[in-house]
Amino acid sequence: RKEVEQDPGPFNVPEGATVAFNCTYSNSASQSFFWYRQDCRKEPKLLMSVYSSGNEDGRFTAQLNRASQYISLLIRDSKLSDSATYLCVVNDEDKIIFGKGTRLHILP
Amino acid sequence: GAGVSQSPRYKVAKRGQDVALRCDPISGHVSLFWYQQALGQGPEFLTYFQNEAQLDKSGLPSDRFFAERPEGSVSTLKIQRTQQEDSAVYLCASSLEGAYFAAFFGQGTRLTVV
Repeated sequence: RKEVEQDPGPFNVPEGATVAFNCTYSNSASQSFFWYRQDCRKEPKLLMSVYSSGNEDGRFTAQLNRASQYISLLIRDSKLSDSATYLCVVNDEDKIIFGKGTRLHILP
Repeated sequence: GAGVSQSPRYKVAKRGQDVALRCDPISGHVSLFWYQQALGQGPEFLTYFQNEAQLDKSGLPSDRFFAERPEGSVSTLKIQRTQQEDSAVYLCASSLEGAYFAAFFGQGTRLTVV
């Protein structure tokens, strides 16, 4: 089983809609969780950390479910500029492990 | 500069040639990570340093890959006798310490082996 699994998509979503995707992780001892965004041919950039209680940053909400070992990202009122690949990131001791990413296309 | 800097941005190597990729992390960041990213895939972990100590090199695909960070700052990833399957983007990231702080990435080095 892969350490971090994501639905690769693509998710094709009309502008203004709400979209959510999940990521599952295999190591129950993981303590750090992040979402990164990666644009085509660019480096990954930190979108937000994911805290146990869930957290929100503008239109973005991240949640952690330790019992089921998944994290989620919700994007409200999606913009064309949200089109990107979203990478789920989990620590494995001192390593940072990435999922393969979920591609999101926001349609005008 | 304020961010992670990698050089060169692009490298074309003939099969069998040795290459060296450089990473200059954010000042004060203790931890440094190297990743390999193939087209359409997520970054794959290669190796991790805490200061000058290489604490994990389990992701290095073969003994042709070697990384160092002798003074706990700049790091070099060396690939000997490059093969076509080594073609990828090599990403470097640094964090304050370990995997409990977010990591910040450089722009990567795109290696093409011909």
